[in-house]
Amino acid sequence: EAGVTQFPSHSVIEKGQTVTLRCDPISGHDNLYWYRRVMGKEIKFLLHFVKESKQDESGMPNNRFLAERTGGTYSTLKVQPAELEDSGVYFCASSRGQGRQSTNEKLFFGSGTQLSVL
Amino acid sequence: LAKTTQPISMDSYEGQEVNITCSHNNIATNDYITWYQQFPSQGPRFIIQGYKTKVTNEVASLFIPADRKSSTLSLPRVSLSDTAVYYCLVGTKAAGNKLTFGGGTRVLVKP
Repeated sequence: EAGVTQFPSHSVIEKGQTVTLRCDPISGHDNLYWYRRVMGKEIKFLLHFVKESKQDESGMPNNRFLAERTGGTYSTLKVQPAELEDSGVYFCASSRGQGRQSTNEKLFFGSGTQLSVL
Repeated sequence: LAKTTQPISMDSYEGQEVNITCSHNNIATNDYITWYQQFPSQGPRFIIQGYKTKVTNEVASLFIPADRKSSTLSLPRVSLSDTAVYYCLVGTKAAGNKLTFGGGTRVLVKP
C-alpha cells in the first residue's frame, strides 16, 4: 500500500510569488489533514477535509492560504502571495475514518514539503 | 485539549531500554493518549495509543497509571535507528479534529 505522498519535497520561492503544494493521501482515506511547522515552532494543525468538504479550517493562518480537494482525492494547498513567515515544513496526513477524527484513528503522514520563502 | 509536558531530550545507548514520561495533568475522562515518532525529514508516525493500564505492540509499550495524569512510553532495547523525536498527544474526538503536538522528546541513541 502506497503511503501519503507530497510534492514537491522542497520549494524555494521569493516573497510575493505563488506556490502550490500537493498531497496524495492513501487510497480510500476519506480524511485529509494539513499541518505545518514553522522554524523553531511546534507542528500546528491547518485544516481537515472529509472527502471533498472542509470539515475544519480553523488553523489556516490567513486568506493567503487556499486548500482544495476536488473530487475527494488529492489535495492542494496554495499560498498566494507567499511571505517570509510562511517558510516551514508543510505536512499532509490522511486517515480512513468516517467523518470526525476518532481517538482510535491513526494518522498517516507524508514526508512533508520544505518551503523556503526568500 | 489537555496540555502535555515531556523532557526536551534524552540520550541512551544501543541495547538499553528508553522510558519517556509525559505529564498530562488536565487529561479528561474521554481522552486517549497517543504517541508519534518522527525521524528527520519525515512526517510523524503513529507508535501506540492507550487509555489506561498497559498497552504493548511490536514497537513499544505504554504504561498509564490509574490517575492517568501521566504516561510512559517504553522502547525496549533501542538501536541507532530509534533516534528520533517522540511526541505525546492527548485528546478526544469531542475536542475536534486536530492533533496538538507539543515540543516532543528528542531521543539520541549512541553506539
